[in-house]
Order: sequence, then C-alpha cells, then structure tokens
Amino acid sequence: DQQVKQNSPSLSVQEGRISILNCDYTNSMFDYFLWYKKYPAEGPTFLISISSIKDKNEDGRFTVFLNKSAKHLSLHIVPSQPGDSAVYFCAAKEETQGGSEKLVFGKGTKLTVNP
Amino acid sequence: GAGVSQSPRYKVAKRGQDVALRCDPISGHVSLFWYQQALGQGPEFLTYFQNEAQLDKSGLPSDRFFAERPEGSVSTLKIQRTQQEDSAVYLCASSLSGTGGPQHFGDGTRLSIL
Repeated sequence: DQQVKQNSPSLSVQEGRISILNCDYTNSMFDYFLWYKKYPAEGPTFLISISSIKDKNEDGRFTVFLNKSAKHLSLHIVPSQPGDSAVYFCAAKEETQGGSEKLVFGKGTKLTVNP
Repeated sequence: GAGVSQSPRYKVAKRGQDVALRCDPISGHVSLFWYQQALGQGPEFLTYFQNEAQLDKSGLPSDRFFAERPEGSVSTLKIQRTQQEDSAVYLCASSLSGTGGPQHFGDGTRLSIL
C-alpha cells in the first residue's frame, strides 16, 4: 500500500500564477519530507525540505507547508515559470535497518506551466 | 564532475544475461543508495551503504540482485539472470551521512530486458 500519495498525476497553470502540488502520507513515523523535481532523462533534483517540527519552509519562489494532523503537505511555487515544467515528487524519510533513512516516494505530479 | 555519475546511461540485455550498473557518488559522501524506478512510478528503495558496509538490503527484489561498494566509494549493482520485469531506471543517490541532508541523485541507468 502506498505510504506517500500524490493524487494528481498532472497540473497545468499559467505563467506568473501560483502552482500548488499536494501530497498525503499515511505513516505517522515520517518526520522529514522532501520535494524533488525531475526533468525527462535526468535524475531527481532536490528542491526543498521540511522537518515535522515545522509547518512551513520557504526558499525563494518555493514554499512547503506541512499539516501534520492531516498528514498532508503541499508545495507552492509562485510565480510559476515555464522552466518549472517538470515532474515533482514528494518523498518522506523512513528510518531503516542500519540506522539509515531511505526515501519513500509518491508517484509524482507532472506540472506544465504555459507561457 | 561534482555530481553523482552513473554508467552506462542505457543498457539493453537479453533475458537471462547478467548486467552490472556503476555508480560514482559525490566525493566525500558516506552514504550511498540504490533505487529502482518503474515507468510512471516513483523511485523505490533497493539498498543502502554506509562507506563499504551494506547496512540495508531489504528492498532488493530477489537474490538475483547484488550490490557492492568494496572501497567505500564506487558502487556496482549487479543483476543476474535478468528477467523482463527487471526493466526499469536504476537510480543511485549519495548523501553526506545517512541521517541528515538531502540525497543527491544521478541521472540513472535505463535498463531494457528483451
């Protein structure tokens, strides 16, 4: 069963407007969340992260919001630019055997920003 | 370069052949991870190394999959007797440590089994 869910496979917005990408999770043990951006034929690129002790983290045009009680996080991009067009993955850190923290990913949301 | 490097970028093999995929992590990164990404899905964890020690291999789908990192730097993922369901993109990621900071990914190896 999917522990990290991105229920919108795609999203289309106009340049200059806000893009909101959503992510839900089921495992209450997750304590750190990340967003990655992926262009075709490239690996995921780290974008922004948030610890579960915070409810907001901002970096330039990108803001991540965490609602721990609802097990929901969102990524806001404002203003959106055509170069933001990519697949966005939500991921959560899960402690594993050996003390590492593997990433559990959602299926991704394809964002298209139209000029 | 400064990023995670993976080779080959593309690999085509016949069913039953063995393949080896290479990962060069970012210099100085202690932790190294392998993920498998099927078409239309997010990456799924395969295995984790801290230096040369393989501390977690719980995500490896079968005993046909084997990974090593003998000197704590370069890692190789080997798949024996490949099957069609092994077709996927194999991603390698590294981080400074296992418990802090983001993982940085390579561009992956796209494996196609005919």
